[in-house]
Amino acid sequence: DIVMTQGALPNPVPSGESVSITCRSSKSLLYSDGKTYLNWYLQRPGQSPQLLIYWMSTRASGVSDRFSGSGSGTDFTLKISGVEAEDVGVYYCQQGLEFPFTFGSGTKLEIK
Amino acid sequence: EIQLQESGPGLVKPSQSLSLTCSVTGYTITSGYDWSWIRKFPGNKMEWMGYISYSGSTNYNPSLKSRISITRDTSKNQFFLQLNSVTTEDTATYYCASPGSGGDYWGQGVMVTVSS
Repeated sequence: DIVMTQGALPNPVPSGESVSITCRSSKSLLYSDGKTYLNWYLQRPGQSPQLLIYWMSTRASGVSDRFSGSGSGTDFTLKISGVEAEDVGVYYCQQGLEFPFTFGSGTKLEIK
Repeated sequence: EIQLQESGPGLVKPSQSLSLTCSVTGYTITSGYDWSWIRKFPGNKMEWMGYISYSGSTNYNPSLKSRISITRDTSKNQFFLQLNSVTTEDTATYYCASPGSGGDYWGQGVMVTVSS
């Protein structure tokens, strides 16, 4: 299985600050079609996960442009520009290249 | 609007089978998408258990392959999870979902505790 490793945040983060969450995969997620199959999800407290970013850098429908994704084939970053109270929750990276699809361990964001 | 709703018992005894139903509204499960079961353990770990495609083919996580079965009832627009020989390590919140770039749809999740 592809192992996904996520970094932590220095919680709590002051409101308005920008943060970056890192994720690394044990195998390149770049496929022959030119797409990198890395997704980012946010699970807010008491809610189901919500897709934020797919194909490493494409924002899902309705997602704020404060969220941006970048990276290479194995190293990825989710940047949140100016965190707000509604951004609180656990962020997951997830590879969609090969089954079983696997998630990182999650990165918790708390706001000060 | 596509909506998914899980249902099933919240408590299962060790060695028994866990059975959950996902009812889908707003879309016919034979029209497209893969329909998945994903679980979240206490402490945030997430596991993609398996899925049934719109055509009826299935794909299971090898870690569960001998215990899991995902089936469907197209007349009711439902799909199902059966997990056999459960242990306390199967205690988790179970989500039915069709997540990803093609559309991101999740149920609200059902918490299942395995305990005697």
